[in-house]
Amino acid sequence: GESVGLHLPTLSVQEGDNSIINCAYSNSASDYFIWYKQESGKGPQFIIDIRSNMDKRQGQRVTVLLNKTVKHLSLQIAATQPGDSAVYFCAENIRDGGSQGNLIFGKGTKLSVKP
Amino acid sequence: EPEVTQTPSHQVTQMGQEVILRCVPISNHLYFYWYRQILGQKVEFLVSFYNNEISEKSEIFDDQFSVERPDGSNFTLKIRSTKLEDSAMYFCASSGLGQGAKTQYFGPGTRLLVL
Repeated sequence: GESVGLHLPTLSVQEGDNSIINCAYSNSASDYFIWYKQESGKGPQFIIDIRSNMDKRQGQRVTVLLNKTVKHLSLQIAATQPGDSAVYFCAENIRDGGSQGNLIFGKGTKLSVKP
Repeated sequence: EPEVTQTPSHQVTQMGQEVILRCVPISNHLYFYWYRQILGQKVEFLVSFYNNEISEKSEIFDDQFSVERPDGSNFTLKIRSTKLEDSAMYFCASSGLGQGAKTQYFGPGTRLLVL
């Protein structure tokens, strides 16, 4: 039978091109967002985060954009490299103040980089 | 660079048996978490732990699950009587306090297979 869980959205890019991975989050009360990279058989690796009082944040080769109006998050990777091939998850956190809250993960997007 | 470590990397057990998954969070972190990821699916929150008690738990975290911080460095997840559907990757994560404390850093995971 078909396993819905295995059907990840896939983005295939050429090495050196820019990649844009999109994510729609669920809760308008979420105040903190993270992008994680997960390689096969490994744990989620932190890439970049952004708080809800910002709409853009840049890291090394990565940029996160937040559009609270439409509850949309994107991750831009500049000059994509073969080592960037992985599944990328966005996660949201809906607790503020002293409590850390838990992370709610999105479905994930598989990025494949062609050499 | 400090990292979260987990043992064992793989665990195979018979249905109905008890398993204990172990984690060593990042040393100056105060919040600890367990998540699980069924093969091909997204990462799901199980439980968060702070100041020696559970601060949040999900519906998945039923009476068969328990967590403990037996000493100053370890954080464990116990499943009392494993079921087939407990087969998954189990990730431990930790986060600190103060600015940037919401960033949760994940361990490499324990792959649990229940037969």
